[in-house]
Amino acid sequence: LAKTTQPISMDSYEGQEVNITCSHNNIATNDYITWYQQFPSQGPRFIIQGYKTKVTNEVASLFIPADRKSSTLSLPRVSLSDTAVYYCLVGDIWGDDKIIFGKGTRLHILP
Amino acid sequence: DADVTQTPRNRITKTGKRIMLECSQTKGHDRMYWYRQDPGLGLRLIYYSFDVKDINKGEISDGYSVSRQAQAKFSLSLESAIPNQTALYFCATRSGGETEAFFGQGTRLTVV
Repeated sequence: LAKTTQPISMDSYEGQEVNITCSHNNIATNDYITWYQQFPSQGPRFIIQGYKTKVTNEVASLFIPADRKSSTLSLPRVSLSDTAVYYCLVGDIWGDDKIIFGKGTRLHILP
Repeated sequence: DADVTQTPRNRITKTGKRIMLECSQTKGHDRMYWYRQDPGLGLRLIYYSFDVKDINKGEISDGYSVSRQAQAKFSLSLESAIPNQTALYFCATRSGGETEAFFGQGTRLTVV
């Protein structure tokens, strides 16, 4: 399993775009990159997944450079309700049965 | 009804007692997981199961055991609860070939 590194915490203001970067230098060829969001006392919720280049859905965008050694989760125009912990995970969706979470990034949105 | 249901939602138990946390899912997924989360920390994997015949230890399995009674049911047991097992416990399910995992509402366990 590829190890991931992300900032422990970030602050931003309502209406801003927030970018959270995750480093995964030893990502393997078959690995996908997945991001989860967790609110206090709730289970994590899947946000987005990608393999390369850019993926966008109704919640976020995921940018993955050509070398795939990092990825950036982009949250457009955040609101107070985006205050949560965001986890970056890397793994082979076929070969890995385990899903290992790191400590995540605690995002705090200020009014 | 929730796709992944955990019971109980809250439990207070005494040191040394045996306790079972239950998880059931209606998503038809083959893979099921148990995690614990301590305040301010990420989730740590306790056990995971590929199917009813497959049980695997995770990062922190000592002091815990599991049972996969059916594809839809995965139980976590604390044989002799101790205070440092006080935590929030989550069950999750996933389908092979998909990275999206679905989590239950969590069980808040307090061992006194």
